[in-house]
Amino acid sequence: QKEVEQNSGPLSVPEGAIASLNCTYSDRGSQSFFWYRQYSGKSPELIMSIYSNGDKEDGRFTAQLNKASQYVSLLIRDSQPSDSATYLCAVTHNAGNMLTFGGGTRLMVKP
Amino acid sequence: EPEVTQTPSHQVTQMGQEVILRCVPISNHLYFYWYRQILGQKVEFLVSFYNNEISEKSEIFDDQFSVERPDGSNFTLKIRSTKLEDSAMYFCASSPSLDGELFFGEGSRLTVL
Repeated sequence: QKEVEQNSGPLSVPEGAIASLNCTYSDRGSQSFFWYRQYSGKSPELIMSIYSNGDKEDGRFTAQLNKASQYVSLLIRDSQPSDSATYLCAVTHNAGNMLTFGGGTRLMVKP
Repeated sequence: EPEVTQTPSHQVTQMGQEVILRCVPISNHLYFYWYRQILGQKVEFLVSFYNNEISEKSEIFDDQFSVERPDGSNFTLKIRSTKLEDSAMYFCASSPSLDGELFFGEGSRLTVL
């Protein structure tokens, strides 16, 4: 069973702080890793993708991947109230892009 | 910016009825997907489609489900005899390549009464 686990939250941070979101996955064969943002009642929106160990930065977002620990994280710097959403970790296995999603972490950024 | 479009945005149907959900993927994408999300639960993979055939499907995608690309633009999901537990948001997604990023449509909410 290929599982992707996330703390459901809510994770509450003040505006301007760093939000740290974590995800673990069970399949060592996982190849591609994604963070999606989902507002209530809306579709997932891709925030970041990461394919190799280390950090990948894009604006206020940094994704971190550690394949040995089967762990992927997302840091959001200078958090804004508009960042309040559910963040979904998603993983692909072997070749192909069938995504397995985690249950999501609800982030609340308070003004 | 190109986007995946889905219709209808919301459909209410009686149990046992057939439903067809429609999607127009991004025009130069080659890989197409259906996912669903039951309210309050995870987004779940249903099926992937490439070169006019199913490439992968999950355990959820049983005989009551089918997919079709009837012309060069539409990609449809048919549920033959809906059950109460089919009530969910159904998302279509497309990708330009096998390992590429998925782009999701806005979803079709299906309510089965």
